[in-house]
Amino acid sequence: QVQLVESGGGVVQPGRSLRLSCAASGFTFRSSAMHWVRQAPGKGLEWVALISYDGSNKFYADSVRGRFTISRDNSKKMLYLQMNSLTTEDTAMYYCARVQEGSWYGEDGFDVWGQGTTVIVSS
Amino acid sequence: EIVLTQSPGTLSLSPGERATLSCRAGQSVDNNYLAWYQQKPGQPPRLLIYGASRRSTGIPDRFSGSGSGTDFTLTISRLEPEDFAVYYCQQYATSPPRFTFGPGTKVDRK
Repeated sequence: QVQLVESGGGVVQPGRSLRLSCAASGFTFRSSAMHWVRQAPGKGLEWVALISYDGSNKFYADSVRGRFTISRDNSKKMLYLQMNSLTTEDTAMYYCARVQEGSWYGEDGFDVWGQGTTVIVSS
Repeated sequence: EIVLTQSPGTLSLSPGERATLSCRAGQSVDNNYLAWYQQKPGQPPRLLIYGASRRSTGIPDRFSGSGSGTDFTLTISRLEPEDFAVYYCQQYATSPPRFTFGPGTKVDRK
């Protein structure tokens, strides 16, 4: 079935780096733009980053631009989020999400989500 | 950046009642690129509505979306026990691509 599985979360000190991964299965990964969305404990959803189906276009929320990098490996059906210069404000559950089929960047919403991976930034 | 405001913050209702959730944008949403999600504790969000009024695959017809421009509404015609959750609206701005979520409305049991 269609599935996204995130990994790579953990506890990290402020200023350090972490790389999240998202493994896709059950659909044509190379045809789908993908997103990272995060949710701080007890808070709402925050869009983080978008990558086009072929990786040629990337867009970021202002809060992470210059610190986070989204990438993908279509041969491995993997999505990544490299997070540098982490702060306590980055503590959250991080979800990867697929754009609905037929949608270019997500104008029709995100129809498949992983279960998330938790990132805790603490000294 | 387009700011989304959702009201009320919490809606206390009983099963069988009608729920009306509001999402207001600080400026007009491009092409009504407005989606609604449901999230239950410990679960990822679930896409309910996209394009302001189109139900996602498998979503029961008791869920409906309406609105355009800056004012959007999610209606649950008759609440089922499984509908008690938090609901988020989301908009997509096209140039450059940006996505914004509203703060959410919690529908809880009265």
